[in-house]
Amino acid sequence: GQNIDQPTEMTATEGAIVQINCTYQTSGFNGLFWYQQHAGEAPTFLSYNVLDGLEEKGRFSSFLSRSKGYSYLLLKELQMKDSASYLCAVRDSNYQLIWGAGTKLIIKP
Amino acid sequence: ETGVTQTPRHLVMGMTNKKSLKCEQHLGHNAMYWYKQSAKKPLELMFVYNFKEQTENNSVPSRFSPECPNSSHLFLHLHTLQPEDSALYLCASSQDGGSGSGELFFGEGSRLTVL
Repeated sequence: GQNIDQPTEMTATEGAIVQINCTYQTSGFNGLFWYQQHAGEAPTFLSYNVLDGLEEKGRFSSFLSRSKGYSYLLLKELQMKDSASYLCAVRDSNYQLIWGAGTKLIIKP
Repeated sequence: ETGVTQTPRHLVMGMTNKKSLKCEQHLGHNAMYWYKQSAKKPLELMFVYNFKEQTENNSVPSRFSPECPNSSHLFLHLHTLQPEDSALYLCASSQDGGSGSGELFFGEGSRLTVL
């Protein structure tokens, strides 16, 4: 079966750096997405990786290793507003999106 | 504001009621989706429409009935629901049907409670 694993919850301190990991086992691979979802709000797109390596976008970066079935989302200079759930999703060989259950990130002052 | 609007935001219904969820996208996208989001579970894809044609039905019970009258509007008709159907129902749209790199744009969801 297809599976996406990410930690259920993480806690970090304001101003620090946090890395949220995502591992996947899917039937083929056509890209990996990260979304952010604040409580009671719509998920919003953060990043898309289809080739190995690091994609940087401001304070957020996303890394992909296709051979290891692994990605991470790196958040730098954490702010209180970064408290949210972070969803990892992989598009398989049929272009179906397979979703992880999300990682709830709690930022403490 | 994501360009995808869902109404109502909250809905409480009995098991014998009939209600509908509405989604409208103002982005000119060609594909629309219904997802179910339950606490601590992955998003579950329910239905996909491409250019108003249903291209995906992920073994969803018949008590959920989608309708897509045009590429900007999507409905989810609900009848004879069960308490386990209580969840957040998210509508999303994308430029294409998933074959490109285009991301999904989500609405804020309709929180459904079935008593």
